[in-house]
Amino acid sequence: RKEVEQDPGPFNVPEGATVAFNCTYSNSASQSFFWYRQDCRKEPKLLMSVYSSGNEDGRFTAQLNRASQYISLLIRDSKLSDSATYLCVAIAGKSTFGDGTTLTVKP
Amino acid sequence: NAGVTQTPKFRVLKTGQSMTLLCAQDMNHEYMYWYRQDPGMGLRLIHYSVGEGTTAKGEVPDGYNVSRLKKQNFLLGLESAAPSQTSVYFCASSWGADSTDTQYFGPGTRLTVL
Repeated sequence: RKEVEQDPGPFNVPEGATVAFNCTYSNSASQSFFWYRQDCRKEPKLLMSVYSSGNEDGRFTAQLNRASQYISLLIRDSKLSDSATYLCVAIAGKSTFGDGTTLTVKP
Repeated sequence: NAGVTQTPKFRVLKTGQSMTLLCAQDMNHEYMYWYRQDPGMGLRLIHYSVGEGTTAKGEVPDGYNVSRLKKQNFLLGLESAAPSQTSVYFCASSWGADSTDTQYFGPGTRLTVL
């Protein structure tokens, strides 16, 4: 079993839809969590950190559930430009990335 | 301010050849990382460093060596390249490993081993 698991998708949604991704982690010592966005195998770029209390940045909301060991990302009012692969990462000393979830937003 | 740069951008090697990938950052970050990404997969950590002169193994360290002689540079070496090492290699750096410590990535090196 991988340390960090994501549903690979693909998720195909129409513009304006709400979509949610989950990511589970197995290392209970993980302290920090992030969501990254990656376009066409370019370098990943930080989308947002994930805090215990949950956090929101515009249309994006991230949440952490330590008891069940998962993090989530909610995207509201999807845009065409949201099409990308979304990677979650858990850090316990060293960082472990999930394999990513691919999102395609269609007109 | 260039951020994180990687040299070279592309490379083709024959099996058994050696090479060194260079990562440089100008943000005075303490932590640096080397990852590989294979098609359809996420990033797998090869080695990382928490400061100048220190290195540690990641998830897939076999076949690679690293050095962090200067704070701004992190070198990844392949002593005897194998086709299984064909991948895209990303370097990253960060202040630390806390929830506010973003990893900044370089543009990647695309390596093919024939």
